[in-house]
Amino acid sequence: DAGVTQSPTHLIKTRGQQVTLRCSPKSGHDTVSWYQQALGQGPQFIFQYYEEEERQRGNFPDRFSGHQFPNYSSELNVNALLLGDSALYLCASSTIKNIQYFGAGTRLSVL
Amino acid sequence: SQQGEEDPQALSIQEGENATMNCSYKTSINNLQWYRQNSGRGLVHLILIRSNEREKHSGRLRVTLDTSKKSSSLLITASRAADTASYFCATDVQGGSEKLVFGKGTKLTVNP
Repeated sequence: DAGVTQSPTHLIKTRGQQVTLRCSPKSGHDTVSWYQQALGQGPQFIFQYYEEEERQRGNFPDRFSGHQFPNYSSELNVNALLLGDSALYLCASSTIKNIQYFGAGTRLSVL
Repeated sequence: SQQGEEDPQALSIQEGENATMNCSYKTSINNLQWYRQNSGRGLVHLILIRSNEREKHSGRLRVTLDTSKKSSSLLITASRAADTASYFCATDVQGGSEKLVFGKGTKLTVNP
């Protein structure tokens, strides 16, 4: 049984570009949450998707958007990249009100 | 914003010793969870304690929760070099929100 998978593992972009990160949830999970983890910090909640809709959102600008597909996989899009967007992006899957299981993350570097 | 604050920020011990990490939080919670992270990679779920529980055990892990003090502790007994990692507490705020709010973590080093 595959766990939460994220792609790509690493990504290098330049300021102003756009990026798409992908997440496949653990089998049987229907909820996907995205977190941003800056170096030396704890993860910060970006948003959560359930039934293909954004269910909750953290304190992130509209440059951060997402999508959930009918198979429960999800994408995180970031437009107009800033240097400060450099971070580890973590995807977590769960069933509602249950433990969130995390993927290995995508490390994004913005130059 | 960070809800939980772990203490200490860093902890270095010898193999076989016990490691205790503390977490404080600000608002009422449904659950408190502890996660481990190796070398900046994904988070591994360790244990969940509900707001109506006071203590929970899982293998070498013991977690306590004091809701009156808004604090929790994680005890790892008989530590091993493989326990070297960062440990985070995460809370989901009472009131229906399911987002996890993490602290900054405790970096544990277990020396062989």
